[in-house]
Amino acid sequence: SAVISQKPSRDICQRGTSLTIQCQVDSQVTMMFWYRQQPGQSLTLIATANQGSEATYESGFVIDKFPISRPNLTFSTLTVSNMSPEDSSIYLCSAKTGGAAEAFFGQGTRLTVV
Amino acid sequence: QKEVEQDPGPLSVPEGAIVSLNCTYSNSAFQYFMWYRQYSRKGPELLMYTYSSGNKEDGRFTAQVDKSSKYISLFIRDSQPSDSATYLCAMSAGGNNRLAFGKGNQVVVIP
Repeated sequence: SAVISQKPSRDICQRGTSLTIQCQVDSQVTMMFWYRQQPGQSLTLIATANQGSEATYESGFVIDKFPISRPNLTFSTLTVSNMSPEDSSIYLCSAKTGGAAEAFFGQGTRLTVV
Repeated sequence: QKEVEQDPGPLSVPEGAIVSLNCTYSNSAFQYFMWYRQYSRKGPELLMYTYSSGNKEDGRFTAQVDKSSKYISLFIRDSQPSDSATYLCAMSAGGNNRLAFGKGNQVVVIP
């Protein structure tokens, strides 16, 4: 298993500003992902963070709004840009190793936009 | 039809009862099935992992997969207040394919 550290754990931000969330894994992993989880909803995949190349975004999510970096095999960042109250949610970093099907999660970042 | 269906209705049980959770799915390519436990204000934690059909037991937890019916279950025996959490099912076709998640079931075990 992988231990994933995510920070900040929570933040309250003003609308129109941006927040960068960091995700650090304790071992090298093949794939890293960013999810959004809204109350009462399933986890929604935002994008797959690719090491050394642009992230792969899911339908409904765009790079200008959610720029992602992955400079190496253990670290990734997600930026939520030009925030509005609709961006208030929990953002989760996830990772999986090799050909394994199961993924592991960070503790999440609880974002409130006011 | 959603790829994974999980009735999100909250479930309250008395301590010591058996908790039964289930998910249905539509994608016959799914071969890997997981249950995650998520405590309030925490990230999902992998609880059970099963490949293909069959049963898997780990302590008080049993995961069942019936691929012919596209139906998976999680049973918690002798439930404890510490089992109070949201349980999410997840599944994948394997490899680099994404995980598909259910909505999650909130379980409350009453002492």
